[in-house]
Parts: sequence; C-alpha cells; structure tokens
Amino acid sequence: EVQLVESGGGLVQPGGSLRLSCAASGFTFSSYAMSWVRQAPGKGLEWVSAISGSGGSTYYADSVKGRFTISRDNSKNTLYLQMNSLRAEDTAVYYCAKEGNVVVAATADYWGQGTLVTVSS
Amino acid sequence: QSALTQPASVSGSPGQSITISCTGTSSDVGSYNLVSWYQQHPGKAPKLMIYEVSKRPSGVSNRFSGSKSGNTASLTISGLQAEDEADYYCCSYAGSSTFGNVVFGGGTKLTVL
Repeated sequence: EVQLVESGGGLVQPGGSLRLSCAASGFTFSSYAMSWVRQAPGKGLEWVSAISGSGGSTYYADSVKGRFTISRDNSKNTLYLQMNSLRAEDTAVYYCAKEGNVVVAATADYWGQGTLVTVSS
Repeated sequence: QSALTQPASVSGSPGQSITISCTGTSSDVGSYNLVSWYQQHPGKAPKLMIYEVSKRPSGVSNRFSGSKSGNTASLTISGLQAEDEADYYCCSYAGSSTFGNVVFGGGTKLTVL
C-alpha cells in the first residue's frame, strides 16, 4: 500500500525558513517523480515544485523559484522541500504527491494527508 | 488568477449527468495529452480521477470520463450520486510556461441537489 507522510509544518515568522519532509513507502521510490502541491486556506490547489525519480531534474512554480528547493534521498525514500524567505502568502497546507511516472507529467496518483505551514508574526 | 479556467460551480440532481470544462491555452492543455482531474472532499487530500485526458485509475468508477478538444478539457460525471458532491480540479502539464511546468484550474464546486 502506497503511503506518503508529510512532516515539518508549523508556525514561522515572515522571512524565516522551514523544511518539509515526506516519507514514502509501498512503492519503488526512485522510479517515480514526486511533487509538492499547496492549498491556501479556502483556496484552490497550486503546484509548487516537482523532481524526477533520479533527482536530476527539478521544477518550480515562479511564485517560489529562488526561495524553495526540492530534493530527495532515494536511499531513505524521503522527499524534501526547503522553504526560505517565507512570506504570508506561503501559508497553506502542503501536500506531497507521487507522480505516475519517473518524469513529471501532471499525474499525481497518490497524495499525503498534508502538513500546514503558517507564516505569521 | 489560475492558469486554467473552470466554472466556479455546477450542480445536478441524482442520476443526471454534468460536465465540467477546463480551458487552457495552446501552451498547456492544447499541447499535451497530459490533463488530469482531481476530486477533493472537504478536509481531505485530493484524489486522482482521470489522467492523460481520458484514462481512469484502477478503482475509479466508470461514471467518470474525460475528454479534450483543442485548448479545452472536460470531465463528465454520469449517474450523479450524493457522494460525488466535492470540489474538482483540472491539471495540465505545461512545459515551461509562465505559471510553471504544471498548472491547475481554480476548481469547481459540484453540488448534488
């Protein structure tokens, strides 16, 4: 059974940093691209970032480019999102999602339960 | 403003069929057969319902179907049931667009009357 468990969310001040983790199990982690998708309170889904199965290719939404870094440790079956220079508008539930292929193709077939990030002073 | 345009809401009675549209551009929906649809119930994570325009993941009811024409994709739900009431989001691969490599629609709230 595929499981994705996010952690690392919490309250952080504007300008601060946070690192999210997503522990994966139930599938061959390195064979699939992974994504982060966020949802601000009461709003729709917003794609944030994605990474290929090998980790060699990374992709970012313009809204987070230069501030967020996606990475993965295939030996630990874990996906990360390092978030720096956080802003109030980054406040959202952050979901980790598994892609259906080794490359990014907008097909997130499994999702975690999400972790809430709140940016506020 | 979302990259893909969906109606804010649609409604239908049990047993009826409804269609949700998703309009993009020649840079996303129109260029790739990589359109997916997600169902999200309140307080829950999204669930993949359709991928690659018209394919259904294992376990998804065949009452859900997808299609695409030009820059517009559509999700049709036939034989509406109470449990179909949820938010629905379309998503498309977009290469290297202004919004990013993957773009979502703003979401459509489906109400089953």
